[in-house]
Amino acid sequence: GAVVSQHPSRVICKSGTSVKIECRSLDFQATTMFWYRQFPKQSLMLMATSNEGSKATYEQGVEKDKFLINHASLTLSTLTVTSAHPEDSSFYICSADGTGASLNIQYFGAGTRLSVL
Amino acid sequence: KQEVTQIPAALSVPEGENLVLNCSFTDSAIYNLQWFRQDPGKGLTSLLLIQSSQREQTSGRLNASLDKSSGRSTLYIAASQPGDSATYLCAVGGADGLTFGKGTHLIIQP
Repeated sequence: GAVVSQHPSRVICKSGTSVKIECRSLDFQATTMFWYRQFPKQSLMLMATSNEGSKATYEQGVEKDKFLINHASLTLSTLTVTSAHPEDSSFYICSADGTGASLNIQYFGAGTRLSVL
Repeated sequence: KQEVTQIPAALSVPEGENLVLNCSFTDSAIYNLQWFRQDPGKGLTSLLLIQSSQREQTSGRLNASLDKSSGRSTLYIAASQPGDSATYLCAVGGADGLTFGKGTHLIIQP
């Protein structure tokens, strides 16, 4: 089956540093990847949609200069949280669309727990 | 904009009971509906995917139904076990992508 690998699974960093999270589709090509954020006891909220070879589309209220997304290949998208602050602490999950827009099926990574001190 | 509501928010039942989790959505123009399981601090495990043309899907002790016209889905868990304890998320797939509910936090008491 389709597997999405997300790395790292957990990261602790000091305030003001930048953190990069990787999302890879291991056995399929993904033209579109998605980045979600989940706060405790809340639902997953879509942050941005990442398309291979083009700029990401950000949801309303998500700062594109703070959350840099790069989708340089059909199997890799990265999310960089720049100048992280404690309020950025959250659970970040990526997913990849491997079956085309008409079926809208996403395969999810295991998530990254970010803690900013 | 699609909105997804899950009821109840939390549920605690003794082992062995059958139970039903509910999901409702506001826009019936969907591609599919998916039920996920999320363990504490972990990612999502896909349980069942129902395409918009289908009425239900079954996997082992799990059965999910979909009534698009009324905007409802249910997840039925038979003979619950302590290992079923987790948060169950309903996600609706449509033109705007996936929209998630807040989940039902399920505890199965041994």
